[in-house]
Amino acid sequence: GQNIDQPTEMTATEGAIVQINCTYQTSGFNGLFWYQQHAGEAPTFLSYNVLDGLEEKGRFSSFLSRSKGYSYLLLKELQMKDSASYLCAPGGGADGLTFGKGTHLIIQP
Amino acid sequence: NAGVTQTPKFQVLKTGQSMTLQCAQDMNHEYMSWYRQDPGMGLRLIHYSVGAGITDQGEVPNGYNVSRSTTEDFPLRLLSAAPSQTSVYFCASSPLAEVVNEQFFGPGTRLTVL
Repeated sequence: GQNIDQPTEMTATEGAIVQINCTYQTSGFNGLFWYQQHAGEAPTFLSYNVLDGLEEKGRFSSFLSRSKGYSYLLLKELQMKDSASYLCAPGGGADGLTFGKGTHLIIQP
Repeated sequence: NAGVTQTPKFQVLKTGQSMTLQCAQDMNHEYMSWYRQDPGMGLRLIHYSVGAGITDQGEVPNGYNVSRSTTEDFPLRLLSAAPSQTSVYFCASSPLAEVVNEQFFGPGTRLTVL
């Protein structure tokens, strides 16, 4: 089975930086995904880490430590449109992804 | 490409009724799956398929059936709807079945069971 832990809610200020942490315990591991989900919409892909280290993609970066079962998503230069839920999802094989409950990020002016 | 499409977008059922949620993808993806999303519970896997003719159970399969007669379609059937099945249902697909990779989600079906 899989156990995924991420904060329920975070608040940050427009223009600032926020880090959303995710810890996981899995029976198998092929990589870790981060998805963004705006209210009332479907999740959309943000990033994927299969090796340890930092992956940067514009304002978003994602870090993975497989030995520690730990990942974080770093969002820079926050914009109001970044208000959304962010879902951590370790992948364990052909049975697909297991999603964390998500972190609801609130951006304040 | 339309990507992953789901119908209907909204549905209200009475307890005991049956219905089928439709899902189709036009990307020739091998892997398809169904999730339900409830407040405070996150996305939970109901059933998945690694190719035509092959299906398997996920975390919460009870009360649901699936079939995969073609690569494109993966319908989800509610046999006898219950209020506990009130949820938002997402269908997703990804290119390969052997390794996990990015899943593309449909827009969702919002189901209410009275």
